[in-house]
Amino acid sequence: GAGVSQSPRYKVAKRGQDVALRCDPISGHVSLFWYQQALGQGPEFLTYFQNEAQLDKSGLPSDRFFAERPEGSVSTLKIQRTQQEDSAVYLCASSLVPAGDMVVGELFFGEGSRLTVL
Amino acid sequence: AQSVAQPEDQVNVAEGNPLTVKCTYSVSGNPYLFWYVQYPNRGLQFLLKYITGDNLVKGSYGFEAEFNKSQTSFHLKKPSALVSDSALYFCAVRDETGGFKTIFGAGTRLFVKA
Repeated sequence: GAGVSQSPRYKVAKRGQDVALRCDPISGHVSLFWYQQALGQGPEFLTYFQNEAQLDKSGLPSDRFFAERPEGSVSTLKIQRTQQEDSAVYLCASSLVPAGDMVVGELFFGEGSRLTVL
Repeated sequence: AQSVAQPEDQVNVAEGNPLTVKCTYSVSGNPYLFWYVQYPNRGLQFLLKYITGDNLVKGSYGFEAEFNKSQTSFHLKKPSALVSDSALYFCAVRDETGGFKTIFGAGTRLFVKA
């Protein structure tokens, strides 16, 4: 497709369940980011991939959060043993330009995956 | 550390009037500044960016922003607001020393009344 695609759009999980959120970036985009957006807040950085390499995971809130991009395209954000505080919209964004490049490209966002943990 | 402040939770303006959405930032190195817009149940869309050069940047849908280094501000402006401009606006910043992160403000909701 032409844009960043995320699935599922909505996910309801019981506390303690594992969830997996998928991101399909724009074809050819080198950079891929995951952000967490709580209700009424701005997006908070979680992690960054350049191709298949995870270069920054400093924003992941706990070791229950894990992200991968094994072939440098599709990425999965996995949350183990979900807690109520994990409820948020998870946004994926991609960019043609590597994030470390001096010519900084804008981010193209998907519509997000809204996670509700009961 | 990088940070972005959007001091107004909401801005109300009448259609046809000029609008300003405020943003101030703090970075260690040279700033790269962005504005994004978010419509209900949609992802963020890029509006405009300042990397270097002219302090007045023009972007999508008639929006523009002015980079002011001395005031560390990057306010979003539009000469004549439309009802369809009503949305949530986010200011964001990166700097050359801040690694790979783009840091977003908390957002400002713009409401344009007909």
